[in-house]
Amino acid sequence: GNSVTQMEGPVTLSEEAFLTINCTYTATGYPSLFWYVQYPGEGLQLLLKATKADDKGSNKGFEATYRKETTSFHLEKGSVQVSDSAVYFCALSETWTGANNLFFGTGTRLTVIP
Amino acid sequence: EPEVTQTPSHQVTQMGQEVILRCVPISNHLYFYWYRQILGQKVEFLVSFYNNEISEKSEIFDDQFSVERPDGSNFTLKIRSTKLEDSAMYFCASSGEGGGNTEAFFGQGTRLTVV
Repeated sequence: GNSVTQMEGPVTLSEEAFLTINCTYTATGYPSLFWYVQYPGEGLQLLLKATKADDKGSNKGFEATYRKETTSFHLEKGSVQVSDSAVYFCALSETWTGANNLFFGTGTRLTVIP
Repeated sequence: EPEVTQTPSHQVTQMGQEVILRCVPISNHLYFYWYRQILGQKVEFLVSFYNNEISEKSEIFDDQFSVERPDGSNFTLKIRSTKLEDSAMYFCASSGEGGGNTEAFFGQGTRLTVV
């Protein structure tokens, strides 16, 4: 079946520190992979995505590379800011002909302190 | 910027009562979804809706649950007789033409507390 395993949080970093949030997946086919972010009081927002092996998704300084050999999609940012404080969700989807059935990880809460 | 809106933000209900969670998807979107997150657990897919009918549903979405698009703008999730274990954050989402090949936009969630 499909599942996503995400690094447990919470994660607390100082501003300008390097961030890695680990994500590994299990899928029966060839999934697309996503990172969603939830800022306080807001809905889930797509941060970045990758649709095939070796693709790199990037947005707002965040990056993640689709690694089929290690079934991973780790999120990285070189220098975090206080405004990056949020909950980050790794997700996958295998449905391309119809509804977007997303499988999510548990979420990792990131707090960045000045 | 268009957004998905959900009401109420927090709903408290007594066990056994019916509850309706409301969502207004983005106006030109065609696919609609409900997800839920029990505290401390994963965000789980419940159901997807397209062309006025359910297109997929998970094992969680049993006979106690139903969805409806009553008036072309709202998309509702009804829980017929709530149980304590239905307490969770419920997220509505919508996506445009292309279904799984397009981004799903999520609402801010409704926190349901069953007492």
